[in-house]
Amino acid sequence: SAVISQKPSRDICQRGTSLTIQCQVDSQVTMMFWYRQQPGQSLTLIATANQGSEATYESGFVIDKFPISRPNLTFSTLTVSNMSPEDSSIYLCSVALGGEAFFGQGTRLTVV
Amino acid sequence: GENVEQHPSTLSVQEGDSAVIKCTYSDSASNYFPWYKQELGKGPQLIIDIRSNVGEKKDQRIAVTLNKTAKHFSLHITETQPEDSAVYFCAARPGGSYIPTFGRGTSLIVHP
Repeated sequence: SAVISQKPSRDICQRGTSLTIQCQVDSQVTMMFWYRQQPGQSLTLIATANQGSEATYESGFVIDKFPISRPNLTFSTLTVSNMSPEDSSIYLCSVALGGEAFFGQGTRLTVV
Repeated sequence: GENVEQHPSTLSVQEGDSAVIKCTYSDSASNYFPWYKQELGKGPQLIIDIRSNVGEKKDQRIAVTLNKTAKHFSLHITETQPEDSAVYFCAARPGGSYIPTFGRGTSLIVHP
């Protein structure tokens, strides 16, 4: 299994600002992912964070809005840029290990 | 791509009763079906999974069944307890992919 630490656990931000979310894993993993979970909704994949190369974004998500870093095999960040109230959501970091997916505890973001 | 439908969206039971959550999937290439439990303020946690080469898997009070022909799978929880109250997500993942497609979730409420 994998232990994933995500920071911050929650934040309230002003519109127009940016927030960077950090994800730390206790073991080296090739595949790291970022998801968004809007209130009462399912998990939507934002992007796959690739170590040593640019992230791969899903349809509807762009790098300018959600820049991602992956400097090594245990760490990644997701930035939510130029935030609006529509970005209020839970953001989840996930890793694939041994064929299974593991999740961090999530970052609950509220944009006011 | 894969499409996963999950029902019901809300399920309310009395302690000690059984709970059943059903999912259907569309992609016949999917061969891995995990179930996640998400408690309030936490990330999803894998509770049980099943692969396409078996029809049923059981782990204490929880069991999962899979009908590949009909493309549906179900989660069964027996002797429910208040601590089973959470949101449950089903997912389906094609072979060769690290990325599951999630259902919309079922909010299970177990009344003492």
